[in-house]
Amino acid sequence: GENVEQHPSTLSVQEGDSAVIKCTYSDSASNYFPWYKQELGKRPQLIIDIRSNVGEKKDQRIAVTLNKTAKHFSLHITETQPEDSAVYFCAASITGGGADGLTFGKGTHLIIQP
Amino acid sequence: KAGVTQTPRYLIKTRGQQVTLSCSPISGHRSVSWYQQTPGQGLQFLFEYFSETQRNKGNFPGRFSGRQFSNSRSEMNVSTLELGDSALYLCASSPGGHGDTQYFGPGTRLTVL
Repeated sequence: GENVEQHPSTLSVQEGDSAVIKCTYSDSASNYFPWYKQELGKRPQLIIDIRSNVGEKKDQRIAVTLNKTAKHFSLHITETQPEDSAVYFCAASITGGGADGLTFGKGTHLIIQP
Repeated sequence: KAGVTQTPRYLIKTRGQQVTLSCSPISGHRSVSWYQQTPGQGLQFLFEYFSETQRNKGNFPGRFSGRQFSNSRSEMNVSTLELGDSALYLCASSPGGHGDTQYFGPGTRLTVL
C-alpha cells in the first residue's frame, strides 16, 4: 500500500518568515495530494490540494508544489502569522479522496515564534 | 450548509465492551470515510462507504466495522474493545466522486479503560 513520509516533525520559524514542509510518497499511482491543518482540539481542515496534472498551486500565502517524477510534494507558507501555528498533515490518494481513502503523513508541528 | 457532525463527542468504555459511533455527512454528500487518530500512529484510514456500500477498507482487524444508511449517515462499531483502541475517531464526507475533497467532522474521543 501507499506510504507517506513527512518532514520535519517540528518546525519553528519567526513570524513573517517562510515555512516549508516536505512529503514523499511511495505509490506512483497516487494522483491526489491534499494538505490539512489541525489546531489543538479541532478537526483537520483542508487548506490546499493538488492533483497530478498540476505542478504547482497557490492560494494567497500558501502554495503546494508536486514533483511526480521524484514522488514528492511540498507545502510553502509565506509571511507566517501566529494563527499559522498548528499541526499540518500531508496526504496522498489514488484516484481521489473518495474511493481509496487518504494515506497521511505523521504531521508537522509548526510553531510561529513572535 | 451544515458541516459534518459526529456523536457522541466523548466516550469512556471498558475493555471487552463494544461501541457505536455515528457520523452525519454534509447534506448531499454520499461518501463517508472513517479515520483513527492516535499520537503514535497518526491518522489512519479505516474504511469508506458510498451509497450504503463499503468501497474501500484499511488495515484494521475485523473488530472494526461500519455501515451506511440510505440518508448517507454512517455508523462505526468496534467490538471487544482493547486499551489500544483509545483514540480520536474522525469521519469525513465528500460528494463521492473521484478527486472530491474530504471534509472532516469534529471527531469522537474514545477512551478505553
